[in-house]
Amino acid sequence: DVKVTQSSRYLVKRTGEKVFLECVQDMDHENMFWYRQDPGLGLRLIYFSYDVKMKEKGDIPEGYSVSREKKERFSLILESASTNQTSMYLCASSQVAGLAGALLSTDTQYFGPGTRLTVL
Amino acid sequence: RKEVEQDPGPFNVPEGATVAFNCTYSNSASQSFFWYRQDCRKEPKLLMSVYSSGNEDGRFTAQLNRASQYISLLIRDSKLSDSATYLCVVNIRETALIFGKGTTLSVSS
Repeated sequence: DVKVTQSSRYLVKRTGEKVFLECVQDMDHENMFWYRQDPGLGLRLIYFSYDVKMKEKGDIPEGYSVSREKKERFSLILESASTNQTSMYLCASSQVAGLAGALLSTDTQYFGPGTRLTVL
Repeated sequence: RKEVEQDPGPFNVPEGATVAFNCTYSNSASQSFFWYRQDCRKEPKLLMSVYSSGNEDGRFTAQLNRASQYISLLIRDSKLSDSATYLCVVNIRETALIFGKGTTLSVSS
């Protein structure tokens, strides 16, 4: 059974603090993702990584950075937290499913339980 | 046109009803399609993948219409436990999925 864990369920930080959100998966998945979920906006992709030390910007990368030093771990960093970064942060992982031809399609994404971050 | 669009609902139905959700997507090159379910204050979990030929899993039926670029989810004989938000998910670019904002279903007795 796939397990994706996140370091904290709830986190309260002050404006300007540096925040680290950690995510670990135990299924040797290639891909890992960070999303934030806000009411009325749904899930929005912040960053993703398809291999160790590789990262790609998602739809809303501003104010965030990521680190993938080991395959099982993907960290989201808020360099200087701001109140508009108060949100639910969800990590996910997936195995790449190859298709004949050039386009690779993703397999099911498995989500961690989420971290509810409040920035005061 | 938004990449993935769903009717947010809420859909309020009695137990035993049949309910259908539709979702449209903008990128005709999309290859993978899924329905995820998200319970209140929980993470999204895969409900079912959507295959070109359509597929069924118990009371749930998913269909794909590539020509019109929409997918659907049909739930028959609704149960109270089906109350949740249903997310339409489509792959738009390699290795990343795009999630719709979700359709909320509330089943009442």
